[in-house]
Amino acid sequence: QVQLQESGPGLVKPSETLSLTCTVSGGSITTSHWSWIRQPPGKGLEWIGYIYYSGSTTYSPSLRSRVTMSVDTSKNQFSLRLVSVTAADTAVYYCARHRVTGGYSYGSFDYWGQGILVTVSS
Amino acid sequence: EIVLTQSPGTLSLSPGERATLSCTASHSVTNSHLAWYQQRPGQAPRLLIFGASSRATGIPDRFSGSGSGTDFTLTISRLEPEDFALYHCQQYCCSPFTFGQGTKLEIK
Repeated sequence: QVQLQESGPGLVKPSETLSLTCTVSGGSITTSHWSWIRQPPGKGLEWIGYIYYSGSTTYSPSLRSRVTMSVDTSKNQFSLRLVSVTAADTAVYYCARHRVTGGYSYGSFDYWGQGILVTVSS
Repeated sequence: EIVLTQSPGTLSLSPGERATLSCTASHSVTNSHLAWYQQRPGQAPRLLIFGASSRATGIPDRFSGSGSGTDFTLTISRLEPEDFALYHCQQYCCSPFTFGQGTKLEIK
């Protein structure tokens, strides 16, 4: 059973950098693509971007200028970095696995972390 | 970017009733790459339906999905108490992946 766990600071100051890590257990990070998704309090879900174990990435255009994702296959982890944060970046951040079938990775998400609330405030 | 609009925003029904949730896309969702998720309070979303109509592993058969192009539907045939939750649709045909704003299914 694949499990994902987000970790990182729950409080970030405005204009600083948000950094989160997702640790994957119960399966190899090399088997699929991996996404970050966020949900502001009381609002809908927003896809941030995805990464493959090779390091190739695709980001949402709305966040592309501020986002960097990376992967560490030796630790079975991938990470999110969001610079110059504001209060609008306050959200629960989820990491998720792209569903795999027939050796192909699709863009629906079959395994999710529990989520981590990140508050941007001074 | 494909914008997904879910209706209604809130649906009030009783256990045992049938629920019909809609998701309309601003542009055609190719290959029916449309998914539905259930989210209970304080929990992560759970994949219910992928490919517009295929149930994910472990999802009861009272959940069904249909549609193609720009119009999609999630149907819950007979509501159980645990089905009252927030439901999201998502398209993954085209980057950026996008979600609808959600439909809250509440007990009447």
